[in-house]
Amino acid sequence: GENVEQHPSTLSVQEGDSAVIKCTYSDSASNYFPWYKQELGKRPQLIIDIRSNVGEKKDQRIAVTLNKTAKHFSLHITETQPEDSAVYFCAASNAGGTSYGKLTFGQGTILTVHP
Amino acid sequence: NAGVTQTPKFQVLKTGQSMTLQCAQDMNHNSMYWYRQDPGMGLRLIYYSASEGTTDKGEVPNGYNVSRLNKREFSLRLESAAPSQTSVYFCASSELAGGPKVAGELFFGEGSRLTVL
Repeated sequence: GENVEQHPSTLSVQEGDSAVIKCTYSDSASNYFPWYKQELGKRPQLIIDIRSNVGEKKDQRIAVTLNKTAKHFSLHITETQPEDSAVYFCAASNAGGTSYGKLTFGQGTILTVHP
Repeated sequence: NAGVTQTPKFQVLKTGQSMTLQCAQDMNHNSMYWYRQDPGMGLRLIYYSASEGTTDKGEVPNGYNVSRLNKREFSLRLESAAPSQTSVYFCASSELAGGPKVAGELFFGEGSRLTVL
């Protein structure tokens, strides 16, 4: 099955700096790569996703890049703010067989933005 | 719309006790999922239901059973709880985009924190 590795496990930045979180996946059939943000004590929520037919997607201060050849994708947050502090999870979905939208998640990155 | 609602939010069990986590969604989604979240391990899929009347195992199904009661409801049962099942459990639902093999956004419930002593 799919295996997703996420790095780093913790990331500390100063307000206004950029933050980058990287993930690698194992199954070349995966074609959907979402990122979820989970604030302390809350539910995970989708912040951005990318499908395999594009290499980059941006939404205001966040962007995701995908390199299918190398099987890795990254989340980029620019001009970080204290409210960006949360746990971020990457995920991948293998569209082959009977996946039915199942997501395999990375281990999570705790992002702390210091004012 | 409430989205995805799961109960209870907190539960303490003794080893060997049984319990059922309830989940309901009001978004008319076909697919529903149960994940567990443990520190440093991300979210791991326990069971999922692609559509009403079907269920299938995920990554970590041992010690759990599920029931897709109808399109709205998907319950998770622990028959004989063990300390290793101490975790935060999330129910989620999604509407697959463009067909059964194309993933879409997962909508999560608020989570159920389970402690097994």
